[in-house]
Amino acid sequence: GENVEQHPSTLSVQEGDSAVIKCTYSDSASNYFPWYKQELGKGPQLIIDIRSNVGEKKDQRIAVTLNKTAKHFSLHITETQPEDSAVYFCAASKGGNNRLAFGKGNQVVVIP
Amino acid sequence: SAVISQKPSRDICQRGTSLTIQCQVDSQVTMMFWYRQQPGQSLTLIATANQGSEATYESGFVIDKFPISRPNLTFSTLTVSNMSPEDSSIYLCSVGGADTEAFFGQGTRLTVV
Repeated sequence: GENVEQHPSTLSVQEGDSAVIKCTYSDSASNYFPWYKQELGKGPQLIIDIRSNVGEKKDQRIAVTLNKTAKHFSLHITETQPEDSAVYFCAASKGGNNRLAFGKGNQVVVIP
Repeated sequence: SAVISQKPSRDICQRGTSLTIQCQVDSQVTMMFWYRQQPGQSLTLIATANQGSEATYESGFVIDKFPISRPNLTFSTLTVSNMSPEDSSIYLCSVGGADTEAFFGQGTRLTVV
């Protein structure tokens, strides 16, 4: 099955700086790559996603890039704010079936 | 996005007992899934809840331990049977459709003592 790896496991950034989280996947048939933000005591919240027919997608301070050849995709958060502090999960699925394989998560800490 | 409600939000249960978790969605959805998130860990798919038929389980998960019902397109239940402390986790309901986003409920935090 699909194997998704996520790096780094913990990331600390100064407020206002950028944060980048990278994920790799193993199954070249995967075609859907969402990112979730999970705050303490809450369920995962979808923040952005990308499909394999595009290379980049942006939504305000958040962007995702996809490199199908290298089988990796990255989350970029610019102008980080304290409320960006959370655990971020990447995931992958194929065939539109929404059976998601998740990475291990990345704890992002934004230092005021 | 769909509004997903899970009940209970948390519970503490004795080992050997069973707990049924409910997932209610405010609109009809094609796909419903159950995930497990062990403490400090990532999410692992347990099964796909199929409306009107038996659930489809992922490797490592079996129906006797995690029976699932899905009587209609807005509701599903997951039962954690004969619980042991290793079953202490967050159990999450997820919904979505083919080629659409997947959304999660707030989770059920289960502690088995």
